[in-house]
Amino acid sequence: DTGVSQDPRHKITKRGQNVTFRCDPISEHNRLYWYRQTLGQGPEFLTYFQNEAQLEKSRLLSDRFSAERPKGSFSTLEIQRTEQGDSAMYLCASSSTGTSGQLEQFFGPGTRLTVL
Amino acid sequence: QKEVEQNSGPLSVPEGAIASLNCTYSDRGSQSFFWYRQYSGKSPELIMFIYSNGDKEDGRFTAQLNKASQYVSLLIRDSQPSDSATYLCAVRVWGGGSEKLVFGKGTKLTVNP
Repeated sequence: DTGVSQDPRHKITKRGQNVTFRCDPISEHNRLYWYRQTLGQGPEFLTYFQNEAQLEKSRLLSDRFSAERPKGSFSTLEIQRTEQGDSAMYLCASSSTGTSGQLEQFFGPGTRLTVL
Repeated sequence: QKEVEQNSGPLSVPEGAIASLNCTYSDRGSQSFFWYRQYSGKSPELIMFIYSNGDKEDGRFTAQLNKASQYVSLLIRDSQPSDSATYLCAVRVWGGGSEKLVFGKGTKLTVNP
C-alpha cells in the first residue's frame, strides 16, 4: 500500500497525558498537512509542511500542540496535557504537484483520539 | 475568514436517481475546488477536482463550477446505495507561502434501494 499511513489508528488517554501521532506521507510527496475533524464538521486545518519547513500553523493549535517533520518525510503531532476538547479525528494528508498541477491532497486513515 | 457552505442534509434519493450536491464559497479569488467522499468512521477520499468554469465528468460523477456565482456542485448519476456517505466540498486557499484546504461541513447523502 503506497497511500498515506497514520499510527496509531485509535488512542484513548486520560486528561493531562501527552500523546504523539505519526504520519507517513505518500512516497516523494513533499507537502504534508494535519487536519482535525470533530463529529458533524468538515476537517479543519491545523498545520502545513513543505519538506521539513513548517510554513503555517493554525490559530486552532494552542501551545500544547507541536508538529515536526524532521527529515521532510514522516511527521509527528504531539499534544501535551490533553483536554477533553482535544477528542477528535486527527487527519494527515500529503500532496505533490503531480500531472494536474492542482496539488490534490490525499488523506490517511486518521487517528481517533478520545480523552477521558 | 474564508468560508465554504454546504447544505448539511440529509439528502435522500432513490437508487438510480441523480443526486445533486451544492456548495458555495466566499473567496472570489479561489481557483481550485475539490469534492471528497467520507464514509462513516473513515477518512475523506478525493473523488473530483475542478478549476475551470463549466462541467467536468468522471464516470457517474460530474462536477460543475460557476466562479461568477461562487458556486460548485457535484452530480451523481445512477445513484447506488454504496454512494451513501457524507460529501465534503473543499476550496484551496493560498497565502503567505502556505496553502491549505478549507472544507464545508459536508452533506450526508442516503441512497435508498
